[in-house]
Formats: sequence, C-alpha cells, structure tokens
Amino acid sequence: AQSVTQPDIHITVSEGASLELRCNYSYGATPYLFWYVQSPGQGLQLLLKYFSGDTLVQGIKGFEAEFKRSQSSFNLRKPSVHWSDAAEYFCAVGAWSNDYKLSFGAGTTVTVRA
Amino acid sequence: DAGVIQSPRHEVTEMGQEVTLRCKPISGHDYLFWYRQTMMRGLELLIYFNNNVPIDDSGMPEDRFSAKMPNASFSTLKIQPSEPRDSAVYFCASSPRGVLNTEAFFGQGTRLTVV
Repeated sequence: AQSVTQPDIHITVSEGASLELRCNYSYGATPYLFWYVQSPGQGLQLLLKYFSGDTLVQGIKGFEAEFKRSQSSFNLRKPSVHWSDAAEYFCAVGAWSNDYKLSFGAGTTVTVRA
Repeated sequence: DAGVIQSPRHEVTEMGQEVTLRCKPISGHDYLFWYRQTMMRGLELLIYFNNNVPIDDSGMPEDRFSAKMPNASFSTLKIQPSEPRDSAVYFCASSPRGVLNTEAFFGQGTRLTVV
C-alpha cells in the first residue's frame, strides 16, 4: 500500500523568502503525486500534480514541485512567498491500481511572518 | 458552477443522536468522495461513488456510518448513533473522472462536534 510522509508539521517563513515543503512517498511503482492547499475553514484545492513526463511540475499560485524517483520525494517549492500563502499543505499519492483513492500526508502548516 | 456544496457547515450534536451530512457535487461529475479529517488520523477516504453507485466503502469506520447517493446531484453521510470520537471535519469531493485523471474538487467541509 502507498503512504506519504510530510516530515515538517509546521514551517514559518518571512514574506518574500523562499519556501520548500518536503514530501516522501512509499510505493512500489510509479506513483501519481499531488499537492493540495487548504486555507483556514476551506476545502482542499489542487496546486499541482505529477503523472509522468517532465519531473519538474508547475502549478498554480507560483508553486512548483520536483519528482525525484531516487529519493522517493516530491517536494513543493515557491521562490517568494506571499502572506496569502499561509495555509496547510498536503501531499498525496495515488496508486495505479487504485485510481479512485489518494493517500494524504499529515500536512504541513505554513505561517508567513511580515 | 458553485462548486461542491456541503451542508451544514457546522454541526453540534449530543452523543447518541443521528447526524446527517449533505453534499451536492459539481454537475456532470461522475465520482463523489467522502473524506474525514482529524488531527490524529489526517485525511481518510470513507467511501466513494461512481455514477451514484457505491464502489468502495472500506474506509467507513463502522456500521454506525452509512452513505447514500440517490441521484447524481445529492449524497448524504449519516452517523447513527453519533459518538464523541466522530468529531471531525467531513469533506465531500467530486471528480469528472477518477482522481488520477483529473483533480478532485473539495467542498468546504462540515465541522461535526459530538458532545
């Protein structure tokens, strides 16, 4: 079964600084990988996804993520954060044989300080 | 489209009472998912439907939980009787195809508190 680990529970960054959120997955085959963002009191919104092809994926709101098979990682990055990026971020992995089910990580809460 | 609509947004009930959560998926979406979010267990898939038919309910915690989708535009998740450990945020999501082919669109959730 697939699983996802987000090692950082909480990250604080200054506005304008770069951000990197870590995600490690466990799955025997090529995974389908996603990053979602959840603002307070809201549902989850897809930031980006990786299925195949270019391992550097661009998403909405200026985010990107890089799939590294050798490290079983799919880290999310943003060069310069805005105060509106304060939210909880979830990495998720889907299994090829289970196209309806995503396994979510525990989430990383991002706080942006002025 | 207004997106996935869930009601109520907040629900407080006493232990032992029946609770019904409602979801209206995005029109034209074939798949509907119910998730539960807690601090301890994160996001868990409870059940999902394809064209109104329940496909996998293996995530439903126990028999007190049931879900229905009587038509393409409405689904309910019922807990009877409710217990304090059911307190969580329940999300409904819909997708035009399987989530691996496209994204799942989430509702704003229902925050359930059982006292």
